Amino acid sequence: DQQVKQNSPSLSVQEGRISILNCDYTNSMFDYFLWYKKYPAEGPTFLISISSIKDKNEDGRFTVFLNKSAKHLSLHIVPSQPGDSAVYFCAATLFGNEKLTFGTGTRLTIIP
Amino acid sequence: GAGVSQSPRYKVTKRGQDVALRCDPISGHVSLYWYRQALGQGPEFLTYFNYEAQQDKSGLPNDRFSAERPEGSISTLTIQRTEQRDSAMYRCASSLGAGGYEQYFGPGTRLTVT
Repeated sequence: DQQVKQNSPSLSVQEGRISILNCDYTNSMFDYFLWYKKYPAEGPTFLISISSIKDKNEDGRFTVFLNKSAKHLSLHIVPSQPGDSAVYFCAATLFGNEKLTFGTGTRLTIIP
Repeated sequence: GAGVSQSPRYKVTKRGQDVALRCDPISGHVSLYWYRQALGQGPEFLTYFNYEAQQDKSGLPNDRFSAERPEGSISTLTIQRTEQRDSAMYRCASSLGAGGYEQYFGPGTRLTVT
């Protein structure tokens, strides 16, 4: 039972364009969402998060949008850079709960 | 400062042997987590500690898996009588505590059971 789903295993985007990564969740109790980025041979690193009381959170080139009614969130990266090539994981939790539930990841490739 | 470290980075063991995986969290981090990641999947929660107290072990697959953090710092995940299905990347993370604090992940231990 996959409670957090990333339906696109891979995505290729031209450098300078917008990258949009999508994530869906099924558990309506989740109220805190995070994106992690992972390079080969390294552990995932935190990128950006959003609480369910917001519908948007922005940090530099990264913006996360949350649509609670659709149980959907997306990560926008603009402009995309070659260093953004990595696997991106969406994760969800109950705020204050330590347990993160991760999606299966999307491999983003930025084409120079 | 130093990040989360894990040892060994790679472990190959024969079926039926016990293995111990070590995690050294970031200094001062209260919470420590263990996850398991199969190929092509995201990390899957196993257990976590606040200081030395194991708060949630609901993700441990069965009683062959156990974890401890006796002094509230270094943690050990032990798998007894390993089976081939235990082969995976085992990841440790630490954070300042509960309530939305970022979890910092280590590089993982790749366990292969032959």
